[in-house]
Amino acid sequence: NAGVTQTPKFRVLKTGQSMTLLCAQDMNHEYMYWYRQDPGMGLRLIHYSVGEGTTAKGEVPDGYNVSRLKKQNFLLGLESAAPSQTSVYFCASSYTPFGSENTEAFFGQGTRLTVV
Amino acid sequence: DAKTTQPPSMDCAEGRAANLPCNHSTISGNEYVYWYRQIHSQGPQYIIHGLKNNETNEMASLIITEDRKSSTLILPHATLRDTAVYYCIVRVAMDSSYKLIFGSGTRLLVRP
Repeated sequence: NAGVTQTPKFRVLKTGQSMTLLCAQDMNHEYMYWYRQDPGMGLRLIHYSVGEGTTAKGEVPDGYNVSRLKKQNFLLGLESAAPSQTSVYFCASSYTPFGSENTEAFFGQGTRLTVV
Repeated sequence: DAKTTQPPSMDCAEGRAANLPCNHSTISGNEYVYWYRQIHSQGPQYIIHGLKNNETNEMASLIITEDRKSSTLILPHATLRDTAVYYCIVRVAMDSSYKLIFGSGTRLLVRP
C-alpha cells in the first residue's frame, strides 16, 4: 500500500516554463488536496477536489490549475512559472472532508520546486 | 481573520512529557482540531484529532477545553524521534469554500 505518491520529488524550472505535478493515491479517497509550504510557514491550500471530475479553489489558487480526470490522480499545473512559486508542494487525500469529519488526511512526501 | 496560535519552539527531556498548546479561539460549529507533525520537511504525519472530548491514542493525548478555544497535545514519554515541527490545524468556512488554518507550528526539540 503506497498511500499518496508525488512525482517528481525535485524540479528546477526557468521563469515562464510550465510543468505538471502528479499526485496518486491508492486508498480510494474521494477528497484530494494540493498545498504549498514556504520556509518557516504552515501549509496553505491551493486547490482541492471532492471527487472525480471536480475541482475547487483553495486559499492561494492564483497561478495554478488542477485536474481530476481519474479518482486516484490529482494533477497540479503551472502554466507560466514565476519565482514566487518556489516552494515545497504537498498533496494529500482523505476519505471525507479534511477538517470537518472524523477522518485524517494522508500526505505525500512533497515536491521541492525552484523557479529561477 | 481566523487563526491558530502556537509557541514557536519548545524543548523537553527525553522520557518526560511534552505538552504543546494551541489557541484556536475562532473555531466554530462541528469543526475538528487536528494535530500533525513534520519531520525534516517530510510530508505531515497524522497524530490525533478531536471535536469536544479528550482523545488518546498510541501516539498522544489531546486535551480540548470546554469552550473549544484551545487544546493541548501531550506526548507522554517523549523520545528523540519526536523532535519535529508540530502543527495544530482547524478548518474555517470561506465563502463557498473553506480554508485550512495551519498554525505556525511548534518546533519541539527533545533533549537526550
